[in-house]
Amino acid sequence: SQKIEQNSEALNIQEGKTATLTCNYTNYSPAYLQWYRQDPGRGPVFLLLIRENEKEKRKERLKVTFDTTLKQSLFHITASQPADSATYLCAPGKGANQAGTALIFGKGTTLSVSS
Amino acid sequence: DSGVTQTPKHLITATGQRVTLRCSPRSGDLSVYWYQQSLDQGLQFLIQYYNGEERAKGNILERFSAQQFPDLHSELNLSSLELGDSALYFCASSPPGGQAYGYTFGSGTRLTVV
Repeated sequence: SQKIEQNSEALNIQEGKTATLTCNYTNYSPAYLQWYRQDPGRGPVFLLLIRENEKEKRKERLKVTFDTTLKQSLFHITASQPADSATYLCAPGKGANQAGTALIFGKGTTLSVSS
Repeated sequence: DSGVTQTPKHLITATGQRVTLRCSPRSGDLSVYWYQQSLDQGLQFLIQYYNGEERAKGNILERFSAQQFPDLHSELNLSSLELGDSALYFCASSPPGGQAYGYTFGSGTRLTVV
């Protein structure tokens, strides 16, 4: 069955450092991979989408890589700030023409940035 | 405001009761998805509707049902409630193209079954 693994342990880093979160998937051939941020008690917020033919994507301080051979995506936050503290979810997605499928999310990794 | 509206925000009810959660998707989005998130659990996909039709089912219990109306709003009905149904229920919407675009989530309905 399809499986998504994210670091279950919380990631604690100091302000200014780079946070790197990992998302591994098995029994999937995703055409896309999405990353979301979720704050406690709130709905997830979409951050980035990377396609299978893209190796890397950037948005401000965020960088995502996608290695379909390793079946892995890495999510980097550079120059991290306490406001980046949240849970980050990954969700591999199938092609847009594959109707009848919905995003399945990993359990997420909780990031804590201390000042 | 994400553009996805969920009501009510909080709901407290007794075991055995039935409740209805409501979701209005973002303007222009045709797909609506329902997810359940229990304490310390990940987001569990329940069901998807696209333009009024059921498109995909996840781990949705038989006691739960949903529908999407012609104006595209959706309702999730939970019946014969049990203590274990206490959770945050999120609705999300996406434009045509599904997973090629990010989902927009509502702020959720926190259901407490006592």
